[in-house]
Amino acid sequence: KQEVTQIPAALSVPEGENLVLNCSFTDSAIYNLQWFRQDPGKGLTSLLLIQSSQREQTSGRLNASLDKSSGRSTLYIAASQPGDSATYLCAVRPDDYKLSFGAGTTVTVRA
Amino acid sequence: DGGITQSPKYLFRKEGQNVTLSCEQNLNHDAMYWYRQDPGQGLRLIYYSQIVNDFQKGDIAEGYSVSREKKESFPLTVTSAQKNPTAFYLCASSSIQEILNTEAFFGQGTRLTVV
Repeated sequence: KQEVTQIPAALSVPEGENLVLNCSFTDSAIYNLQWFRQDPGKGLTSLLLIQSSQREQTSGRLNASLDKSSGRSTLYIAASQPGDSATYLCAVRPDDYKLSFGAGTTVTVRA
Repeated sequence: DGGITQSPKYLFRKEGQNVTLSCEQNLNHDAMYWYRQDPGQGLRLIYYSQIVNDFQKGDIAEGYSVSREKKESFPLTVTSAQKNPTAFYLCASSSIQEILNTEAFFGQGTRLTVV
């Protein structure tokens, strides 16, 4: 069974610092990996999707890397802002169309 | 606007009552999913459907039921057999074409509370 782990569970940084969020998964047989953002009491917003054959994806201040063989992905957020405060979740898509989620990292960016 | 609509946003259930959560999508996606989210835990899959009139149990299907009579709709019923239904419920959809590039989209969630 695929297990997805996100460490740390919570992170607090001053504004302007770069954020590094980690995601690890136990089974490297995945089609893709997706990073989501969730604000309190809201649904999930997709940030980036990395196909299994790709090494990284970039969107604005966000960059996600994928090392499938070692079962790791990292989400980098450059020059953090208070508006980046949220919970960030990663999810992997194994062979059977389902998504397996980590518990998330809750980020607080202090002004 | 294309997207996924969940209703209601808040729902209260009395002991022994069945309640139904609505999920509608206009993204023309074949696959639809229901997840449950509890504090400090990852999302757990309740049911999913890849085609009309067919659905499969996820990891925590006991006490829940679904139907998929239309491509756009995937309602979830929380039955009285679900002993701890208080949670945040999220509906999602995705295409099943080009699986490498398949992106999941989520609704805004329904918060269910037992009173």
